[in-house]
Amino acid sequence: AQSVTQLGSHVSVSEGALVLLRCNYSSSVPPYLFWYVQYPNQGLQLLLKYTSAATLVKGINGFEAEFKKSETSFHLTKPSAHMSDAAEYFCAVSFSTGNQFYFGTGTSLTVIP
Amino acid sequence: AAGVIQSPRHLIKEKRETATLKCYPIPRHDTVYWYQQGPGQDPQFLISFYEKMQSDKGSIPDRFSAQQFSDYHSELNMSSLELGDSALYFCASSPTGTTNYEQYFGPGTRLTVT
Repeated sequence: AQSVTQLGSHVSVSEGALVLLRCNYSSSVPPYLFWYVQYPNQGLQLLLKYTSAATLVKGINGFEAEFKKSETSFHLTKPSAHMSDAAEYFCAVSFSTGNQFYFGTGTSLTVIP
Repeated sequence: AAGVIQSPRHLIKEKRETATLKCYPIPRHDTVYWYQQGPGQDPQFLISFYEKMQSDKGSIPDRFSAQQFSDYHSELNMSSLELGDSALYFCASSPTGTTNYEQYFGPGTRLTVT
C-alpha cells in the first residue's frame, strides 16, 4: 500500500532555531512528494515539491527538503524558525500525474518567542 | 495568477438537508479533485474528474455525488447531510499532458451541519 507518515503531530521550536519536520513514505513505484502549509482557517499552500529532478528541493519562505530514496524520507527543514512559520504542515505523496494525493496526518508547528 | 475558486466559502446546513459545493479550476486545467478535511484531520481524497469523466474515486459516501461540466467546473452534491459531514472541503485542479504533478488547491468550503 502506498502511504505517507509524519512523525510527530506537534513540534515546538524556539524562534531562530532549526525546524525539522519528518515525513516518510512507502511506495512500490517512484513517488512525487510535496509539502503543504495550512494556516488556521485557510487553504493548503504549496511549500515545495519533488518530482524526480534534484533530490534537494528548495521552496518558499526558506524551507527545503531532501528526497532520500534509501531512507524513504522527505523531511522538511528550515535553518531558522520565524514566528510566522507557526502553522500545520502536511506531507503528501502522489504516484503519477492526475492521481490523487495521499496526505500525512499533519504536524503542528509552534514557534516559541 | 488565477487560482482555484470555490463557492460558497462557508455553508451552514441542517441534518438531512442537501448542499452543493462548486469549484472553478484554474484556466486550462482539465483535472479536478475533491478532498474532505475533518476537524484536526488530514485531507482525504473523495473523487476526481478528467475531461468531464470520473477518473478516480476515494472515500466518497454514496450520499455524495459529483460531476464536471463542459467548462471544467465541478460540483459536489451532498444529500441527507449528517453531523459528521461537517468539514472543510477542498477542490484542487491540475493540468494534464505536462510534467507538472502539482495540484493547486482552492481555499476550501467550510460546511457546518447542525
